Amino acid sequence: KQEVTQIPAALSVPEGENLVLNCSFTDSAIYNLQWFRQDPGKGLTSLLLIQSSQREQTSGRLNASLDKSSGRSTLYIAASQPGDSATYLCAVSGANSGYSTLTFGKGTMLLVSP
Amino acid sequence: GAGVSQSPSNKVTEKGKDVELRCDPISGHTALYWYRQSLGQGLEFLIYFQGNSAPDKSGLPSDRFSAERTGGSVSTLTIQRTQQEDSAVYLCASSFGDKGYGYTFGSGTRLTVV
Repeated sequence: KQEVTQIPAALSVPEGENLVLNCSFTDSAIYNLQWFRQDPGKGLTSLLLIQSSQREQTSGRLNASLDKSSGRSTLYIAASQPGDSATYLCAVSGANSGYSTLTFGKGTMLLVSP
Repeated sequence: GAGVSQSPSNKVTEKGKDVELRCDPISGHTALYWYRQSLGQGLEFLIYFQGNSAPDKSGLPSDRFSAERTGGSVSTLTIQRTQQEDSAVYLCASSFGDKGYGYTFGSGTRLTVV
């Protein structure tokens, strides 16, 4: 059974810092990996999707990398802003159990202080 | 519609009552998913509908849970004889095709069983 772990569980940084969120998964037979953002009381917003054949994806100040063989992904946020404060969730879809159902980590709660 | 719509946004029910949660996916999305987010837990997959295929019910926690999707569009998740451990946020998502592209979540229904 696929398990997804995110470290740290919570992170507090001052505005302007670059930061890295970590995600690991136990079964490397994934189809893709996604990073989502969740604001309090809201649904999830997809930030980046990395196919299993890709190594990284970039969107603005966000960069996500994937090392499928070692079961790891990182989300890099450059020049953090207070508006980045949210919970960040990592999710993988399994090549062996349906391509689109997702297994999620418990998330990293990020607080960026002005 | 422009996004995934869920109703009600909040539901308080007495233990033992049945509840119905509704999801209206993005028009044209063939895939629809239900997930559950419990306090302190990650998102947990419940059920997946893809077009006219039989749904993947592998995530339903007990036979008190069921879901249907009518006309390939609106879905209803039903929980019978609710228990306190059913208290959670129930999230619906939809996507293109069967590979999870364009994953879009609704804002969820917060269910509280008292």
